[in-house]
Amino acid sequence: DAGVIQSPRHEVTEMGQEVTLRCKPISGHDYLFWYRQTMMRGLELLIYFNNNVPIDDSGMPEDRFSAKMPNASFSTLKIQPSEPRDSAVYFCASSKPGQGDRKLFFGSGTQLSVL
Amino acid sequence: SQQGEEDPQALSIQEGENATMNCSYKTSINNLQWYRQNSGRGLVHLILIRSNEREKHSGRLRVTLDTSKKSSSLLITASRAADTASYFCATDYGNNRLAFGKGNQVVVIP
Repeated sequence: DAGVIQSPRHEVTEMGQEVTLRCKPISGHDYLFWYRQTMMRGLELLIYFNNNVPIDDSGMPEDRFSAKMPNASFSTLKIQPSEPRDSAVYFCASSKPGQGDRKLFFGSGTQLSVL
Repeated sequence: SQQGEEDPQALSIQEGENATMNCSYKTSINNLQWYRQNSGRGLVHLILIRSNEREKHSGRLRVTLDTSKKSSSLLITASRAADTASYFCATDYGNNRLAFGKGNQVVVIP
């Protein structure tokens, strides 16, 4: 299995631009999570989906952030407009169905720099 | 030790030594997990311990859980240079969310 695939690996953009991060979860996994990692706040859960349905988006910082999962094999996290404080590493993770003990499989992350 | 509000801890040891790191949490959990993150990469699951377990082993890893103290420790025995990474604990409170600590950075000197 290829694992969780994220793209792009690095994104540099200017303040005010729209940014779209992409994630392909592991086939057969029914949960998908978006995390943000910074030195100051560590790993923060932004939103998660179950069977393509958003379950909890309470971690999304503000309305500039939105996430979609149109099908079981693809999810996007969009920031519009982007701001310098959005600079961070964004991770996507997925997990398997039927697991009482839920283990996460992480992608390699997208390093976002907003200038 | 890790918990939501503490700064990351750093540990530097010689190859062959043991590395121990701690994690604390606040309320009842279903399980506690440890993950490793190499520089520039995603987190990788290492080991999971359930709330009714006290100790678990996996290769050179040993995890303990003390639910009365709401704490866990991860021991890496006979460390290797390849063990250089950040180690995170994550608590499962049973709501499909994992709460991650801020991590312990371990540097193993060859």
